[in-house]
Amino acid sequence: DQQVKQNSPSLSVQEGRISILNCDYTNSMFDYFLWYKKYPAEGPTFLISISSIKDKNEDGRFTVFLNKSAKHLSLHIVPSQPGDSAVYFCAARFSGSARQLTFGSGTQLTVLP
Amino acid sequence: KAGVTQTPRYLIKTRGQQVTLSCSPISGHRSVSWYQQTPGQGLQFLFEYFSETQRNKGNFPGRFSGRQFSNSRSEMNVSTLELGDSALYLCASSLVALSTDTQYFGPGTRLTVL
Repeated sequence: DQQVKQNSPSLSVQEGRISILNCDYTNSMFDYFLWYKKYPAEGPTFLISISSIKDKNEDGRFTVFLNKSAKHLSLHIVPSQPGDSAVYFCAARFSGSARQLTFGSGTQLTVLP
Repeated sequence: KAGVTQTPRYLIKTRGQQVTLSCSPISGHRSVSWYQQTPGQGLQFLFEYFSETQRNKGNFPGRFSGRQFSNSRSEMNVSTLELGDSALYLCASSLVALSTDTQYFGPGTRLTVL
């Protein structure tokens, strides 16, 4: 049973436009969410996170939105750059002491010049 | 500050052998988690160590084990390797000062089982 889902395996966007990556979760006990970017043969790189007490968190070109009632979060990248091309994973965990992350299956973002 | 380091970066083994992978967390980080990434299953949690104790374990067989040392460095061991164990093994460390602190990943060890 996939508790974190990224239903779009791929997304292509023109350089300079907005990229929107989506993620849904089923476990309402998750209360901390993270986005990671990953290049092939490398470890995931942390991008941005959000706690369930917030509905938005912004860091430069990256903004994460959380809709708890819909169990949905999204990552907005504005403006998109060719260097943003990578696989993006959303991950969720409980904000207690354990650090186990449950990952989505990832979305391959391609930013076209 | 140095990031999470993993050794070796690449490893080739044959079925039935065993393997040990090593992870050095970011200085000051006390929690180390291990993940397996495969094309079919994505990123799956293996286990987490904190203060030399395993405090969480994913749904993997007992052939997968780990340990953590007093300096927070961690090793994971896979015994009796199977072809399906071929994967990228990732380690992540975190500070464990706040309930919402972030996990940072190492570059991974690519294990190929022939």
